[in-house]
Amino acid sequence: DAGVTQSPTHLIKTRGQQVTLRCSPKSGHDTVSWYQQALGQGPQFIFQYYEEEERQRGNFPDRFSGHQFPNYSSELNVNALWLGDSALYLCASSLGGHGNQPQHFGDGTRLSIL
Amino acid sequence: SQQGEEDPQALSIQEGENATMNCSYKTSINNLQWYRQNSGRGLVHLILIRSNEREKHSGRLRVTLDTSKKSSSLLITASRAADTASYFCATDVDRDDKIIFGKGTRLHILP
Repeated sequence: DAGVTQSPTHLIKTRGQQVTLRCSPKSGHDTVSWYQQALGQGPQFIFQYYEEEERQRGNFPDRFSGHQFPNYSSELNVNALWLGDSALYLCASSLGGHGNQPQHFGDGTRLSIL
Repeated sequence: SQQGEEDPQALSIQEGENATMNCSYKTSINNLQWYRQNSGRGLVHLILIRSNEREKHSGRLRVTLDTSKKSSSLLITASRAADTASYFCATDVDRDDKIIFGKGTRLHILP
């Protein structure tokens, strides 16, 4: 039973570039949430996708956008990258689109902005 | 913004001792979860406790919830080296399905 998988594991970009991160949820899960985790901090909620729509959004600018596909996999896109976007980006999957379910996390994508 | 705040920020104890971490939050919640994160890895779900529950156990873990004080505690008994990790509380805010994490407690088990 495959867990949550994220790709790539590491990525280096320069300021102003755009990046796409990918996530496949745990088998049977239909909800995907994305988090940004700066070094030494807790994960910050970016947004959640359920039934191919963005259901909830945290305090992140429109440069952060996403998509969920019919197979429940998801992408996170970040435009106009700047140094402050350097972080570990975590994807979590759950069932049912509600916050009362445990979330299963991938190991994240480490994004470094030069 | 941070909904939950863990205390202490860091904790070092001898192997075999018990470790207690606390979480305080600001607004009413539907449930509270505890997660563990090993260095450089994703988070692992430990326990979910609902707002109408006061205590929950899972193996060596015991979680309590006091909604009147807006606080929770995580107790790890008979600690092991493998328990070295960061521990986060996460709250599901009432009427809002976002899950908000605290900054975490970094636990170090000394041999």
